[in-house]
Amino acid sequence: QQQVKQSPQSLIVQKGGISIINCAYENTAFDYFPWYQQFPGKGPALLIAIRPDVSEKKEGRFTISFNKSAKQFSLHIMDSQPGDSATYFCAASDGPNAGNMLTFGGGTRLMVKP
Amino acid sequence: DGGITQSPKYLFRKEGQNVTLSCEQNLNHDAMYWYRQDPGQGLRLIYYSQIVNDFQKGDIAEGYSVSREKKESFPLTVTSAQKNPTAFYLCASSIVAGGDTQYFGPGTRLTVL
Repeated sequence: QQQVKQSPQSLIVQKGGISIINCAYENTAFDYFPWYQQFPGKGPALLIAIRPDVSEKKEGRFTISFNKSAKQFSLHIMDSQPGDSATYFCAASDGPNAGNMLTFGGGTRLMVKP
Repeated sequence: DGGITQSPKYLFRKEGQNVTLSCEQNLNHDAMYWYRQDPGQGLRLIYYSQIVNDFQKGDIAEGYSVSREKKESFPLTVTSAQKNPTAFYLCASSIVAGGDTQYFGPGTRLTVL
């Protein structure tokens, strides 16, 4: 059972464009939504995260938009650069009482063309 | 990769052999996790441990075993019972109380010959 659905599976964007990756979840107990960035052959690294008490969080060129009623959240990468080419994973957690278990989406492979 | 080391980076194993993957962290985190990643797929949880001498099965624990004798160490053994062990294995850690962020190691790529 896939509790976090991520789309698209792959994305090609021109340099300077906006990359948008979407995730939808089912479990209403989820209360923490991180995004991870993974380069080939490396471990994922936390990029940005949000909690349901805010609808948007921005860090530099990266923004998370969160829609609690729709149970959806998305990552926007503004002014996309070739160095952003990586695989991005959304995830959701239901908190420390459940061991901080993260449920991951299937990943999106982003390619930014120069 | 901050504070989590995994070794070796590449590992080759013959069918029928057990192999142990190392994971060490110096972040003083209570919780540690093992994930499996297959090409083009997300991360699937194998085992996790919230405290020394205690661990729980994740979604795909069959054919794997772990131990947690020290806070900083969480080795994973891939046994001969694991039918399709070739994959990229990732170890992670987190603070249990009040922290959700998991920090990942650099991974070990296991290939069964």
